[in-house]
Amino acid sequence: DQQVKQNSPSLSVQEGRISILNCDYTNSMFDYFLWYKKYPAEGPTFLISISSIKDKNEDGRFTVFLNKSAKHLSLHIVPSQPGDSAVYFCAASANFGNEKLTFGTGTRLTIIP
Amino acid sequence: EAQVTQNPRYLITVTGKKLTVTCSQNMNHEYMSWYRQDPGLGLRQIYYSMNVEVTDKGDVPEGYKVSRKEKRNFPLILESPSPNQTSLYFCASSGTNYGYTFGSGTRLTVV
Repeated sequence: DQQVKQNSPSLSVQEGRISILNCDYTNSMFDYFLWYKKYPAEGPTFLISISSIKDKNEDGRFTVFLNKSAKHLSLHIVPSQPGDSAVYFCAASANFGNEKLTFGTGTRLTIIP
Repeated sequence: EAQVTQNPRYLITVTGKKLTVTCSQNMNHEYMSWYRQDPGLGLRQIYYSMNVEVTDKGDVPEGYKVSRKEKRNFPLILESPSPNQTSLYFCASSGTNYGYTFGSGTRLTVV
């Protein structure tokens, strides 16, 4: 049972445009959400997070939006750069303070120069 | 430099031959975890540890063992590896800020 789903295995975006990566979850106990970025031959690295008391969190070119009623979050990257080409994983945890993370299946983002 | 170090990076072994993948972190983190990454399945948690001598099963613990005798080390043990354990393995640690720090991964092939 996949509790965190990323339905788009891949996404291609022109350099300079907006990249939007989507993530859906089914467990209503999840209250903290994170995005990780992974380059080939490296471990995932933490990108940005949001708690369920917010609906938006911004860090430079990266913004995460959370829609609790729809159990949906999205990551916006503006403007997209070639270095953003990577696999992006969303992750969620329940009972804030419990560090177990449940990851999605990942979306491979390719930025076209 | 703050990091999680896994060894080896690559390993090819035969079915049934016991192996250990080591993991060490230098950030004094209490929480450590092992994940495996498989195509179409994302990252799935194998085992985790909240502190020294405290370990618990994740989502896919079958066929694996762990130990946490010291805070910095969290080895993953495959007593009798099988081909379905061929995967990319990641160790991670976490402090109080909720961001995991991952190791660079161990690609294991069991033939």
